Amino acid sequence: KAGVTQTPRYLIKTRGQQVTLSCSPISGHRSVSWYQQTPGQGLQFLFEYFSETQRNKGNFPGRFSGRQFSNSRSEMNVSTLELGDSALYLCASSLGGGEDYGYTFGSGTRLTVV
Amino acid sequence: AQRVTQPEKLLSVFKGAPVELKCNYSYSGSPELFWYVQYSRQRLQLLLRHISRESIKGFTADLNKGETSFHLKKPFAQEEDSAMYYCALSPGNYGQNFVFGPGTRLSVLP
Repeated sequence: KAGVTQTPRYLIKTRGQQVTLSCSPISGHRSVSWYQQTPGQGLQFLFEYFSETQRNKGNFPGRFSGRQFSNSRSEMNVSTLELGDSALYLCASSLGGGEDYGYTFGSGTRLTVV
Repeated sequence: AQRVTQPEKLLSVFKGAPVELKCNYSYSGSPELFWYVQYSRQRLQLLLRHISRESIKGFTADLNKGETSFHLKKPFAQEEDSAMYYCALSPGNYGQNFVFGPGTRLSVLP
């Protein structure tokens, strides 16, 4: 079966712009989580969506937002980009049930803000 | 606050030697602990989780609640074990909101 697909793989944006990243989960997975990975801060949790609802949220400013569609695909949006937003953004999907920890990661989108 | 620490950024061992990757955590409740691995040019993937008490690729990890540790061990390291290893904590709720440690790069020398 197809894995978690993230698009685009690479992005270069200018400070102040906004960006939208996309994540298609494994078929049947209803939970999608987003992480930011940087050399300085490591992997940090952004938010999780389950059945089109945000179920958990990390400690990121409101410039970071997301949504999930009825087919479980998720998008993440960052507005008013800052240089510090340059990072690898990882998406992970799972079935999302209480006993499920089958967490599958995508390859990530590398965002560079100049 | 939830926190995961991995004291070693880089760990080098010779092939056939035992390896232990350290992980300590701080959390007031009863977390679920995991180890994730990222091989060169591959995606981050789940290695093992403490609730399963399983051994994957010869690796085991025991949750020590008294010492709040979840160290990853393998008795005989192989060159193909060279990778980045991340310890992660989940609050144990229904959500998938992991707290990751900074990672340890394991290098197994021939």
